[in-house]
Amino acid sequence: EVQLVQSGAEVKKPGESLKISCKGSGYSFTNYWIGWVRQMSGKGLEWMGIIYPGNSDTRYSPSFQGQVTFSADKSIGTAYLQWNSLTASDTAIYYCARGVVGATKHFDYWGQGTLVTVSS
Amino acid sequence: QSALTQPRSVSGSPGQSVTISCTGTSSDVGGYNYVSWHQQHQGKAPKLMIYDVSKRPSGVPDRFSGSKSGNTASLTISGLQAEDEADYYCCSYAGSNTFVVFGGGTKLTVL
Repeated sequence: EVQLVQSGAEVKKPGESLKISCKGSGYSFTNYWIGWVRQMSGKGLEWMGIIYPGNSDTRYSPSFQGQVTFSADKSIGTAYLQWNSLTASDTAIYYCARGVVGATKHFDYWGQGTLVTVSS
Repeated sequence: QSALTQPRSVSGSPGQSVTISCTGTSSDVGGYNYVSWHQQHQGKAPKLMIYDVSKRPSGVPDRFSGSKSGNTASLTISGLQAEDEADYYCCSYAGSNTFVVFGGGTKLTVL
């Protein structure tokens, strides 16, 4: 069974750093992309970018370029989303999703989401 | 403003059919047959319902169907059930630079 399990909720102060995780299981982690999606309270889904754990090829949405960093540790089947300096506007739920890119292109499995709250 | 345009809300009674539209451009919806639809119940993670415009993943009821004409994709839900009440998001591949675009989401209310 394919599963993406994300790390737990975080409460941080502005200016702090944070790294959240997404662990894939039930499939070959290095053969699929992992996408990151933000959902602010009461709002829609925003694509942040995508990483290919097989070679760490990374694409960022222009809206998030320079604001976050994606990484992956294929030895433990885990992808990461990192901030160096959080602001209140980073408060949101962050989802990872498995990306199928080849003859078809879509996200087919989603993590349960990680709530990040940034408040002084 | 989202890259793909969806109606903010639609509604229907149990047993009826509803259609949700998703309008993009020739650079995304119109340029590729890689439109997907995701259902999100309140407080839950999204779930894939349709991919490649009209294909259903295993386990998704055949009441859900997808289509595309030009720059507009559509999700049709027939035989509405109370459990279909949720937010629905369209998503399209948009080329190797932009990669992915989402619609703003449509809230489906089952009356």
